[in-house]
Amino acid sequence: VQLVQSGGGVVQPGRSLRLSCAASGFTFRTSGMHWVRQAPGKGLEWVAVISHDAKSQYYVDSVKGRFTISRDNSRNSVYLQMNGLTIDDTAVYYCARDKGVGASGGEDTFDYWGQGTLVTVSS
Amino acid sequence: DIQMTQSPFTLSASVGDRVTITCRASQTINSWLAWYQQKPGKAPKLLIYDASTLESGVPPRFSGSGSGTEFTLTISSLQPDDFATYYCQQAYTFGQGTKVEIK
Repeated sequence: VQLVQSGGGVVQPGRSLRLSCAASGFTFRTSGMHWVRQAPGKGLEWVAVISHDAKSQYYVDSVKGRFTISRDNSRNSVYLQMNGLTIDDTAVYYCARDKGVGASGGEDTFDYWGQGTLVTVSS
Repeated sequence: DIQMTQSPFTLSASVGDRVTITCRASQTINSWLAWYQQKPGKAPKLLIYDASTLESGVPPRFSGSGSGTEFTLTISSLQPDDFATYYCQQAYTFGQGTKVEIK
């Protein structure tokens, strides 16, 4: 199993950024996928989940209406479109595979993680 | 929303020590709890899921227990590779983390 992330970088407040996560080594279409972030020196914060079939997506309250998680099962990839970025969105962002189909609430567990990509929001 | 409270925030221990970290949920969560280890600059690693099931490849010195609202992660004999930060997780909430430091 491998999750390889791309995207990220430095962006001004209010601008947009798209993160990508390319999966290999497993049957992508059967797994839910998540994004988790970690602000500098802080703990882990779950950001978003998309179910295996893309029928369900959930977000942490602080990004609702600004971030969109999506997936392309034909490309074995999951994405995080981030609009209206603020300084508080500065963090390392990880994609993570769900042990199951994802978006199951209490049962969701993250068994494989990408390498992380730093998003810095600064003027 | 369910809140997850970990304790202690920091733990100083020596190689060979038995270490226990506690995670309390603000309401009953059955056994849907996972534990992760994170080292500086690295992605977290899944250790335990469903409160007590050891993830494949994780050394058996790690164990998890508990149900309802109180859960523990135990390292039976701390090894040099175990100095790291540990997080509990339930659904879309992580605990604050426990840093295990060298005494």
